[in-house]
Amino acid sequence: EAGVAQSPRYKIIEKRQSVAFWCNPISGHATLYWYQQILGQGPKLLIQFQNNGVVDDSQLPKDRFSAERLKGVDSTLKIQPAKLEDSAVYLCASSRRGDTQYFGPGTRLTVL
Amino acid sequence: AQSVTQLDSQVPVFEEAPVELRCNYSSSVSVYLFWYVQYPNQGLQLLLKYLSGSTLVESINGFEAEFNKSQTSFHLRKPSVHISDTAEYFCAVTVTGGGNKLTFGTGTQLKVEL
Repeated sequence: EAGVAQSPRYKIIEKRQSVAFWCNPISGHATLYWYQQILGQGPKLLIQFQNNGVVDDSQLPKDRFSAERLKGVDSTLKIQPAKLEDSAVYLCASSRRGDTQYFGPGTRLTVL
Repeated sequence: AQSVTQLDSQVPVFEEAPVELRCNYSSSVSVYLFWYVQYPNQGLQLLLKYLSGSTLVESINGFEAEFNKSQTSFHLRKPSVHISDTAEYFCAVTVTGGGNKLTFGTGTQLKVEL
């Protein structure tokens, strides 16, 4: 069984630019999560999808972050415009029905 | 809201020595508890979890953790560590019936030395 795929693995941008991350969950997993992991901290949930509907986006900075999960499979997370404090690793995870979460390798974003 | 405290940011230990990584949680309702491991430049991998039943849970690579409700702890232990155990370990909690939202601790860097 293939794991959670994410791309790109690394991204460097200037502040105020926009960036997008892609995630492909494990086949058959209905629940998808995006986490932000700032250096020295544990991952923090940004948004949770159940199929293509949003379950929890209470910690998503909606003025600059957006996410979608079209057709209930792949998902993209976008930041526009980026700030220095957005430098972090963005982790995608999926679970079958809200049980054990399986994580992808993450995208390391550096904002200069 | 629930929270997780991992007091030790770094734990150095010699190979074949025992180790304990501490995790305490705070929650007003029942919880599920997890330990994840993160190797350099990789995503998080589930190490073990407590959902219900026996309070002692084990992983396939020799780690174990014990859920202690009275002390609100879920410490991770291994009787003899290997160089390959060098990684960052995260404790996480989710409330039962809470939509599976994980709250993570700040992590403990385990460094195994020869």
